[in-house]
Amino acid sequence: DGGITQSPKYLFRKEGQNVTLSCEQNLNHDAMYWYRQDPGQGLRLIYYSQIVNDFQKGDIAEGYSVSREKKESFPLTVTSAQKNPTAFYLCASSPGRGQGPDTQYFGPGTRLTVL
Amino acid sequence: QKEVEQNSGPLSVPEGAIASLNCTYSDRGSQSFFWYRQYSGKSPELIMFIYSNGDKEDGRFTAQLNKASQYVSLLIRDSQPSDSATYLCAVGSSNTGKLIFGQGTTLQVKP
Repeated sequence: DGGITQSPKYLFRKEGQNVTLSCEQNLNHDAMYWYRQDPGQGLRLIYYSQIVNDFQKGDIAEGYSVSREKKESFPLTVTSAQKNPTAFYLCASSPGRGQGPDTQYFGPGTRLTVL
Repeated sequence: QKEVEQNSGPLSVPEGAIASLNCTYSDRGSQSFFWYRQYSGKSPELIMFIYSNGDKEDGRFTAQLNKASQYVSLLIRDSQPSDSATYLCAVGSSNTGKLIFGQGTTLQVKP
């Protein structure tokens, strides 16, 4: 089955800890994205990557870091510098610009709670 | 002014009725428009996308686009209780190609 997987589904973090959220896709998509969703809110873009070994900050990148060493994988690290990390984190991928409709497809999400 | 605006609702319709969800956007150069459905606690799933002015139909769903008015809508015919969800409108930025999401409209279909 082609798709996007995220792990873990639920994650609990203590104050001051860094945590890494996993995102993997086997859709052969070039572009990958991380979004954050807070209750009753839309999606806010954290980071995105249009090609391997390259990524750009989104609208709310402070306190987060990413890497894109493989086409299939785009892990997100939530650092201790992120003051309010409790949220629902969504990873998405798309074929990439210049390849027709750049429709984004979402993984199931990771719900992060800071204790 | 927000880049993509939706009425947060809730929009309540009886089962079998037509639900009309609306979205306005500020980027006149936008070329791509998407509707996603998000059930509570789940991730968004794509319903449909539209690029050209006019209507696009897919089953019970119709997307309508009016670029001159910077307005896109989603009609759901014969609404079912299973359609109860939050509907997110997303617009492709003409500068970056990134999607800009509205905050979503919550739809409640009452049996």
